[in-house]
Amino acid sequence: QPVLTQSSSASASLGSSVKLTCTLSRGHSSYMIAWHQQQPGKAPRYLMKLEGSGSYNKGSGVPDRFSGSSSGADRYLTISNLQSEDEADYYCETWDNNSWVFGGGTKLTVL
Amino acid sequence: EVQLLESGGGLVQPGGSLRLSCAASGFTFSNYAMSWVRQAPGKGLEWVSGLSGSGVLTYYADSVKGRFSISRDNSKNMLYLQMNSLRTDDTAVYYCAKDRQFDDWGQGTLVIVSS
Repeated sequence: QPVLTQSSSASASLGSSVKLTCTLSRGHSSYMIAWHQQQPGKAPRYLMKLEGSGSYNKGSGVPDRFSGSSSGADRYLTISNLQSEDEADYYCETWDNNSWVFGGGTKLTVL
Repeated sequence: EVQLLESGGGLVQPGGSLRLSCAASGFTFSNYAMSWVRQAPGKGLEWVSGLSGSGVLTYYADSVKGRFSISRDNSKNMLYLQMNSLRTDDTAVYYCAKDRQFDDWGQGTLVIVSS
């Protein structure tokens, strides 16, 4: 069963860029993940599916400012030109043997 | 447009039962696996249960195995979660989510287990 590790918090200034990391546990470095955003008081929203190759497929309506990339066991979510509405919790998620697991989430603060 | 609308949450005593429903629209429901994901107050997301598009294959997190039962009615575009032997640590907002990567979410329904 894979384990996903995320930093608990991150911060960046309005208009800047930030790169969030999700790390897959040993033996699972090739796994595809998904990124989800949860704004305060709202339901989660799917952002993208991200493969180990770095190829990603975004959900409907997700702004171009959101992109994904990969390196080894690390999966990244980069948000460019940060907006105030990007302040949210970001979760990565993957699945294996018909069981799903989430990372602990990263709380992003936009300064 | 995909829509997922949960219902059935509420206050229940420990040991009690509750049945959650999720009404789906905007896509061919029977073609997609579906899942329930929950979020305890102030905590992260936790996958609870999933099932295949046909409903034949079902999967459960260890924390709910033997107590919860997932099902679907493809003729009505409905997903269900029967929750028995509820415990206080089952208190959470319960979301239904579409497909293996949860590419659509409902708005959630709150379940409170308390005496």
